[in-house]
Amino acid sequence: DSGVTQTPKHLITATGQRVTLRCSPRSGDLSVYWYQQSLDQGLQFLIQYYNGEERAKGNILERFSAQQFPDLHSELNLSSLELGDSALYFCASSVAGRGRPDTQYFGPGTRLTVL
Amino acid sequence: AQSVSQHNHHVILSEAASLELGCNYSYGGTVNLFWYVQYPGQHLQLLLKYFSGDPLVKGIKGFEAEFIKSKFSFNLRKPSVQWSDTAEYFCAVNPYSGAGSYQLTFGKGTKLSVIP
Repeated sequence: DSGVTQTPKHLITATGQRVTLRCSPRSGDLSVYWYQQSLDQGLQFLIQYYNGEERAKGNILERFSAQQFPDLHSELNLSSLELGDSALYFCASSVAGRGRPDTQYFGPGTRLTVL
Repeated sequence: AQSVSQHNHHVILSEAASLELGCNYSYGGTVNLFWYVQYPGQHLQLLLKYFSGDPLVKGIKGFEAEFIKSKFSFNLRKPSVQWSDTAEYFCAVNPYSGAGSYQLTFGKGTKLSVIP
């Protein structure tokens, strides 16, 4: 158990719908990262938040958005869902202090199926 | 943009065989390097990491990896695999900028199947 929690574990929805994935970081970690794992694209970085602010952005679609709340949990919102959005979505957390190397610890993931 | 290549998509070994999984990255600056393992149905777990210092790093469960800067490689090794090592292994790279952005670039992964 990494200490990172994600809910829900599984999500099945229809095309065009909107869903919210939730992540709680390890105690003491200020940064949250979102990754998408699919069969064709592999593991891809989506976005990073640090203490409530966006710090880095990767291959995140405009239909997707995220935020980190004052209690440091994060939510990833996926809207206008398409079949191709079906994937495993991982959250990771780390301390992410500036100027020193950092290790990310991953949550169990949310498996999203779009029908 | 940096990329990570894992040469083997699927490796099948018998128990007690030695393992070496290749990983090469393309980035000219300072990098932090990681190997993660994903057991069937589970999340990614950190096996080992390299930040600086001794290029031979030891991780959990008897795994080790060697960073060869001149070859841009970070290969994972284990002298004797067990059936419980059956999993998918991911190499990941983070260019170290000191700016606090630590996004990981992952390889496509190598599935290891160990036959009892």
